[in-house]
Amino acid sequence: DQQVKQNSPSLSVQEGRISILNCDYTNSMFDYFLWYKKYPAEGPTFLISISSIKDKNEDGRFTVFLNKSAKHLSLHIVPSQPGDSAVYFCAAVQGAQKLVFGQGTRLTINP
Amino acid sequence: DTGVSQDPRHKITKRGQNVTFRCDPISEHNRLYWYRQTLGQGPEFLTYFQNEAQLEKSRLLSDRFSAERPKGSFSTLEIQRTEQGDSAMYLCASSLVLEGDTQYFGPGTRLTVL
Repeated sequence: DQQVKQNSPSLSVQEGRISILNCDYTNSMFDYFLWYKKYPAEGPTFLISISSIKDKNEDGRFTVFLNKSAKHLSLHIVPSQPGDSAVYFCAAVQGAQKLVFGQGTRLTINP
Repeated sequence: DTGVSQDPRHKITKRGQNVTFRCDPISEHNRLYWYRQTLGQGPEFLTYFQNEAQLEKSRLLSDRFSAERPKGSFSTLEIQRTEQGDSAMYLCASSLVLEGDTQYFGPGTRLTVL
């Protein structure tokens, strides 16, 4: 039972444009959502998070949107930079316990 | 703040051997988590501690796996009688519950079972 899904295994975006990564979830009890970035052979690096009581959180070039009715969240990166090329994971948590991760989306920023 | 550290970074072992990994969390973080990641998948939860108490174990954590956090600081994850299916990246994360749910990850230990 995949409670968190990232349906796009890969995404290619031109440098300077907007990257939009999507994530869907099924468990309505999730109360906190996070995005992580991962390079090969390294652990995930925390990017940005959002509480279920909000619908938007922004941090520099990164913005996360949450649509609770659709059980959908997205990460917007603008402008995209070559260093953003990595695998991005969305994760959800209920009650400050374990993270449930999606399968990841490989983002490639083309010059 | 030195972040979460894990040792070793890489481990190659033969099937049937025992291995032990160590995780040092961010200072004063009261929660410590272990995850496992295989190729093409997101990390999967194994177990977590609050201080020295182990609060939850995944069904992925067979009886060959044991984790400890004896003094509420560092943690060890031991795998006995390793199998080829145990080959994965083992990730440790820590959090301070009073500051929300953000978990910070270490670099991971890559285990290869031959």
